[in-house]
Amino acid sequence: LAKTTQPISMDSYEGQEVNITCSHNNIATNDYITWYQQFPSQGPRFIIQGYKTKVTNEVASLFIPADRKSSTLSLPRVSLSDTAVYYCLVGETGRRALTFGSGTRLQVQP
Amino acid sequence: DAEITQSPRHKITETGRQVTLACHQTWNHNNMFWYRQDLGHGLRLIHYSYGVQDTNKGEVSDGYSVSRSNTEDLPLTLESAASSQTSVYFCASSESTSGGGNEQFFGPGTRLTVL
Repeated sequence: LAKTTQPISMDSYEGQEVNITCSHNNIATNDYITWYQQFPSQGPRFIIQGYKTKVTNEVASLFIPADRKSSTLSLPRVSLSDTAVYYCLVGETGRRALTFGSGTRLQVQP
Repeated sequence: DAEITQSPRHKITETGRQVTLACHQTWNHNNMFWYRQDLGHGLRLIHYSYGVQDTNKGEVSDGYSVSRSNTEDLPLTLESAASSQTSVYFCASSESTSGGGNEQFFGPGTRLTVL
């Protein structure tokens, strides 16, 4: 799987928009970009997945530029409950095993 | 509702003992995975299976084994538990696809302590 690089930690306040960027310079043609969220003492939970351009669901947006060498997870108007670790993964994540990096620890404050 | 369960949720054992962690999913997914997560770190892949009778080693498979006799279950066995295997273990499953794109569903985890 393609190696990913993302910030170790980020801080935000309630109501703000948070953007977490992930670099994946050696992404392959068939690779998808997937983001997972993990709360303490829980397993990771799928947030969003995309291949190119922009994807939006009820909880987040994913922006992918034309060269696909990076992606940005956007969380609109975060709340305290969004405090978690966010993992960016690249690859054929449905079938193949996932390689998790250290993720980005997001701390949302009042 | 379909789900993925793990048992036990907590386990304390002694060095040298054999331990088996259970994983059961009711989604009828072909793909199943075992990960370990050490405190403050990401998940590392131990073993995975793409179907009945299929098993594959992940990046940290030494000291672990799995078997897949049916679609629903992928038990993880620690053949001779070591203190270095103290960790939280997560099981996951996903559908099979010809291309990419399907998400993995994770279980609640098993916290294993080896004394």
